[in-house]
Amino acid sequence: QVQLVESGGGVVQPGRSLRLSCAASGFTFGSFALHWVRQAPGKGLEWVAVISSDGTDESFADSVKGRFTISRDNYRNTLFLQMNSLRTEDSAVYYCAREPKPTRGFYYYFDYWGQGTLVTVSS
Amino acid sequence: DIQMTQSPSSLSASVGDRVTITCRASQSIRTYLNWYQQKPGKAPQLLISDASGLHSGVPSRFSGSGSGTDFTLTISGLQPEDFATYYCQQSFNSPLTFGGGTKVDFK
Repeated sequence: QVQLVESGGGVVQPGRSLRLSCAASGFTFGSFALHWVRQAPGKGLEWVAVISSDGTDESFADSVKGRFTISRDNYRNTLFLQMNSLRTEDSAVYYCAREPKPTRGFYYYFDYWGQGTLVTVSS
Repeated sequence: DIQMTQSPSSLSASVGDRVTITCRASQSIRTYLNWYQQKPGKAPQLLISDASGLHSGVPSRFSGSGSGTDFTLTISGLQPEDFATYYCQQSFNSPLTFGGGTKVDFK
């Protein structure tokens, strides 16, 4: 069955960096676009970034553009989110999520989600 | 960016009730609208895609409708496991945006 398992969260000081990983299994990883979506404590969902199945196309929310990068390793079935210049407002549970169908483009919605990893940015 | 506005932000209901949640987009998104259910401490789960397409395994008491800017999620006969928060999300273009959520709790 499809599984997405995030890791790499933790407590970090403002201005520092953190890299999240999402290990995938149960599907043909290199055929699906993947996203990061976050949720601040007690708040709603906020889309963060997307990367195409082959890793050549990506898009970011304005709130993270220029600070976060998204990448993937289709041999290791792993998605990454490199977060630099972290701010207190980046504190959230970060979910990786899969698109519903294999494609080189995007469907822009999500059929499977990981359990999330908590990032806390605090001095 | 497309703004998604959900209403109400919360509602109280009883088992067996018919519940309706609305979602309005700031511009036409045709039928590129999806609904998710989230329970406390858990990841969201897809309920409805493309405004009215029931996701695999989702009970038929859930239904979606609408097009353009106005959309509705209906739960026909609320069950105990349906008490949760519901989000709409537009998939018309990037940046993807979600509604603020509707919390359904027990009356």
